[in-house]
Amino acid sequence: KAGVTQTPRYLIKTRGQQVTLSCSPISGHRSVSWYQQTPGQGLQFLFEYFSETQRNKGNFPGRFSGRQFSNSRSEMNVSTLELGDSALYLCASSQTELETQYFGPGTRLLVL
Amino acid sequence: DQQVKQNSPSLSVQEGRISILNCDYTNSMFDYFLWYKKYPAEGPTFLISISSIKDKNEDGRFTVFLNKSAKHLSLHIVPSQPGDSAVYFCAASASGGSYIPTFGRGTSLIVHP
Repeated sequence: KAGVTQTPRYLIKTRGQQVTLSCSPISGHRSVSWYQQTPGQGLQFLFEYFSETQRNKGNFPGRFSGRQFSNSRSEMNVSTLELGDSALYLCASSQTELETQYFGPGTRLLVL
Repeated sequence: DQQVKQNSPSLSVQEGRISILNCDYTNSMFDYFLWYKKYPAEGPTFLISISSIKDKNEDGRFTVFLNKSAKHLSLHIVPSQPGDSAVYFCAASASGGSYIPTFGRGTSLIVHP
């Protein structure tokens, strides 16, 4: 099976812009979670989707949003980018909420 | 408030010796624990897990120990190899809660040849 794929891998944006990141889970996986990783920080949970519904949400401002499509692919959007949004954004998928998560390679976002 | 803490940001070990990575947690609801390994420019990969009904789980060179009373777990790598050099994340989840794993900040392991 192909692993979790994320596009784009690298992205440079300027403050105030918005960005959309994409994640394709492993085939058959219905749960998709998004995490933010910044230097010196662990993985901070953003949100989790299952069957197109957001089931869990982390402690991030409303500028961070996401959605999941019927084929389980997911996108996350960050509006009005701030310098502090520069980070590695990781997507992880699992068959169900209780199964081990498998991560994609991440999208590295740099906000200038 | 960090619920999962990895107090050592880095660890340096000689090849062939034992690497011990530690993790502490504060939430008593956590009952499932995982370790992930992350190389630069890659996403974390699942390494090993342990349920709270066990105190030890072994997979090849990797063993995870859980001390529930101390709310502490550790990952032992024996023998350590240069290819083990990576950042190791400890994570914990609660099956009765949101089940979303909470991650520590990671420990960077360097294994010297």
